[in-house]
Formats: sequence, C-alpha cells, structure tokens
Amino acid sequence: ILNVEQSPQSLHVQEGDSTNFTCSFPSSNFYALHWYRWETAKSPEALFVMTLNGDEKKKGRISATLNTKEGYSYLYIKGSQPEDSATYLCALEESDMRFGAGTRLTVKP
Amino acid sequence: DAGITQSPRHKVTETGTPVTLRCHQTENHRYMYWYRQDPGHGLRLIHYSYGVKDTDKGEVSDGYSVSRSKTEDFLLTLESATSSQTSVYFCAISEPDSLNTEAFFGQGTRLTVV
Repeated sequence: ILNVEQSPQSLHVQEGDSTNFTCSFPSSNFYALHWYRWETAKSPEALFVMTLNGDEKKKGRISATLNTKEGYSYLYIKGSQPEDSATYLCALEESDMRFGAGTRLTVKP
Repeated sequence: DAGITQSPRHKVTETGTPVTLRCHQTENHRYMYWYRQDPGHGLRLIHYSYGVKDTDKGEVSDGYSVSRSKTEDFLLTLESATSSQTSVYFCAISEPDSLNTEAFFGQGTRLTVV
C-alpha cells in the first residue's frame, strides 16, 4: 500500500496566474495515477488517468505529467480562472484506490 | 453521468445505534469503494469490493463493515455509531478491465452522530 502525498496543502493565486501542484509517492509498481477535481458541495470528477512513465495528458488549460521512476506527478493549470477554484486530488490505483489529502486552489478575480 | 446513487443523502443518528448506507450502481462496474471525507484528510478509504461477496479493508475500516450480495449494491454498516464517525461518506465505482479506469462518485451521504 503506497502513501500518496500532495503539496502544497492550499494555494491562493490571482486570475491569470499559472500554477502547479505535486503528487508524490514511493516508487513502486501500481496500475495508474489518477487526478480528480473536486468542487465544493459536489463529487470528485476525474481529470486524468496515467499509467506509463513519461505520460503527459492535457485537457484545455490543465495538463499533467507522470514520473514513476522518481515517484511524482505534476498537475499544471495555465492562466488560472476563478472557476478553477477547487480541491485537486491525486490517487494511486493498485488493488484498491487511495487518495492524497488534496491541494485546495483558490483563484481570486 | 455514471449511474450511481447513494441513500440516504442525509442522516442524523444517535450514538450506539446501527446505521446502514447504501450505494447502488447501474454501470455493472466490478469495483466499488466507500470513502469518508474529513477536513485535512481528503478521501480516506474505508472498505472496497472487487466483486460479489469479495471485499477488503481500507485505511480506516475499524467500526465499519460492508456487504456486497449483488453487483449493483454495496452496503456500508456502522454497527454502533460513534461521534467520530460523523462525516460525509462517498461511494465510488470503477472498472479496472476497461480502457479508462477512472472512478465515478456518488453524491455523498452526510452522517451526523449525536
């Protein structure tokens, strides 16, 4: 069972700023690394599922990379908007699926 | 949207009483999970199921039991509720044999133990 660590715990940025968060884990075998976006009073929704070292995924202004050898994944948001305000969770899929504590992003207009 | 519903959506119960939360899916996904959400902890895994009658413990399983007698339903039972079990509970489903193994979440159940 791998421990998933996310940093920072929270982040406040201005509209238009680009930002990134980190998900780290002990390097080991796992099936996939997931990123989810979780808005207040809603349910988490998947952003990306990555399986291979060097994977890069992109959806609009949001992108993610995976480095399994060094045990981290980055999530990038380019030109943050107020609607990007949410908690961003990463999860490791092994025999089960375990989440990090999340990074809470607040984008100020 | 994935067909996954949780019931009840809200419940207030007294310390020491048993409580059962239900998760129902219409997607025929093999895996089902129960998580609890607490400030500063994100989502913590309570129990999960990888098939009918196949379940296993997660990170915070003490005080909880689960059952899965059919593919569609995954029940979470608090045998004797305690105040520390006041939380928001989320059910999730996934299908590891598909191309996309993302998890789909229910709407959550807010449980208050008084």
